[in-house]
Order: sequence, then structure tokens, then C-alpha cells
Amino acid sequence: DQQVKQNSPSLSVQEGRISILNCDYTNSMFDYFLWYKKYPAEGPTFLISISSIKDKNEDGRFTVFLNKSAKHLSLHIVPSQPGDSAVYFCAASRSNNAGNMLTFGGGTRLMVKP
Amino acid sequence: DVKVTQSSRYLVKRTGEKVFLECVQDMDHENMFWYRQDPGLGLRLIYFSYDVKMKEKGDIPEGYSVSREKKERFSLILESASTNQTSMYLCASSSVGTYYGYTFGSGTRLTVV
Repeated sequence: DQQVKQNSPSLSVQEGRISILNCDYTNSMFDYFLWYKKYPAEGPTFLISISSIKDKNEDGRFTVFLNKSAKHLSLHIVPSQPGDSAVYFCAASRSNNAGNMLTFGGGTRLMVKP
Repeated sequence: DVKVTQSSRYLVKRTGEKVFLECVQDMDHENMFWYRQDPGLGLRLIYFSYDVKMKEKGDIPEGYSVSREKKERFSLILESASTNQTSMYLCASSSVGTYYGYTFGSGTRLTVV
């Protein structure tokens, strides 16, 4: 049973517009959420995170929103740039789990067209 | 620059071979992980280790084993490679008590023929 789901396998956006990537989770014990970005032939790199005590975290062009009641988070990229084209993974963690283990979603491939 | 280094970027092995994937980190991290990435399935945890000589099964441990004899090194072993183990393998490490997530290696693309 997938505890973290990204229901859109791909997303295409025009350069300069907003990209919105969505993620849903089922485990109410998750209290920390992260987004990773992955280019082909490279490992994922950390992008932005949010704790469950917040509902929004912003870092430059990237903003993550958390809706705990809906068990939903989203990543907004504004404005989108061609270099943002990559696979984005949502991940979730419980603060009391051994090893800080992350559970990942299936990923969304974002394509930003010039 | 801190790093997680995976020994091979690309590997081609034959069915039935024993395969070793090596991972080394230089950040003195306690935790190390092995994932595989497959299209549509995301990152699935194979094994993880939170201390030297300690290991825990992840979601898909069947057909794999691991070894952590030193803190900086975490090896993934495919006892008898099969074609359904063709995948991208990603090693990661993290420090206890931090929530900056993982640092990943660049991955090893393994093809079993």
C-alpha cells in the first residue's frame, strides 16, 4: 500500500508560468515532508521541506503548501524555467522513526517548455 | 564538498551472477540506505542501516543482502542476479536527528541480461 502518492506522472508547463506538483499521503503519523528533484543519470537532490507545524514554506521560486486535514501537499514553482525540467519526488517522514527513514512517492516528471 | 559515492555508474551483469554495489560517504553519517528507482514506482527502499553492522529490511529486500562493516561504507549484494533486478540503484546517507533529508549518490544503472 503506497503511503505517499503522486497521482500525476507528468506535467508540462510553459516557461514563466506556474508549475504545481501535488502529493497525497495516507499515514497521519507523518510530520515532516520534503521535495527532491532528480535529473537523469544523477541522484535526487533536496529541494525544500516543511514541518507539520507549518502550512507553508517558501524558498525563492519554490513554495510548499501543506494541508494536514486533507493529507495533501503541493509544490509551487513560480516562474517556471526550462532548467526546472526534472523528476520531482515527494517524501514523508515520522519524527520518531529510527534512521530518519523517508517514504517516497512515485515521482512527477516536469517539462518546462521554452 | 560532501559526497556519497557509488562505485559504478553503469553495470551489465549476467543472470545468476553475484553482484556487489558499493557506496561510500564522507559525512560521518550514521544512517545509510539503498533504494531502487523504477518508472512509475518511484524510490523503493531495499535495506537501510543506522549503525555499523546493523541492518534493517526495507520494503523490497527479497533477493538482496547488505553489509556495513565500516561506518562510511554500505554495500548492496545481489546474491543471484535476475532480469527483474534491472534498475537504477541509489545509495543515500543521513545524520541522526536532522531533518534535512538524505544525501544521495549519483546512482548505478544495473542491467541484468
